[in-house]
Amino acid sequence: GAGVSQSPRYKVAKRGQDVALRCDPISGHVSLFWYQQALGQGPEFLTYFQNEAQLDKSGLPSDRFFAERPEGSVSTLKIQRTQQEDSAVYLCASSGDRGSSKDYGYTFGSGTRLTVV
Amino acid sequence: GESVGLHLPTLSVQEGDNSIINCAYSNSASDYFIWYKQESGKGPQFIIDIRSNMDKRQGQRVTVLLNKTVKHLSLQIAATQPGDSAVYFCAESLMDTGRRALTFGSGTRLQVQP
Repeated sequence: GAGVSQSPRYKVAKRGQDVALRCDPISGHVSLFWYQQALGQGPEFLTYFQNEAQLDKSGLPSDRFFAERPEGSVSTLKIQRTQQEDSAVYLCASSGDRGSSKDYGYTFGSGTRLTVV
Repeated sequence: GESVGLHLPTLSVQEGDNSIINCAYSNSASDYFIWYKQESGKGPQFIIDIRSNMDKRQGQRVTVLLNKTVKHLSLQIAATQPGDSAVYFCAESLMDTGRRALTFGSGTRLQVQP
């Protein structure tokens, strides 16, 4: 598609439930990023993939968070045993070749709004 | 959709006026800066970027100014329109290190009065 697509758009999970959030990046984009955005705040970096390789996962807040991108296109962010503090918007972004300054600025999806009750 | 920036500082301007949004960044080693616009229920949208070897860059109706001495970034929007109403974030990164993570500022809500 023309943009970054994320699904589901909204997710309500009971505390302790596992969730999986999907991201379809722009076709051909090698870099994929996940960010977490709490209400009223700026996005915070979670993890980064270049193709299928996860090059930076320094932002993942705990071992309950896991991301994968097995074929270098679609990515899934999984959160195990969700807790109330996980409630946030999870944003996915993709970027083209980092040699292009134009593509260094990511294209973000609209996010998945996760509410843990 | 969900609300963005419920408790953010707000800049209110009249339609047609120029807007200036300021940002203080945190890392003196940052070498790449981006301004994003975020409307309610949407992801951040790229507006303009600037490398640390520049102090000014212009786009269509927007200008970014960088003052590395005081670690300050500003976004100027000319002839502000109602469609410019959104939350604006600055972001910084260490491009030359290869680290792709962006660090976002806390954001400013721009309200354009018709």
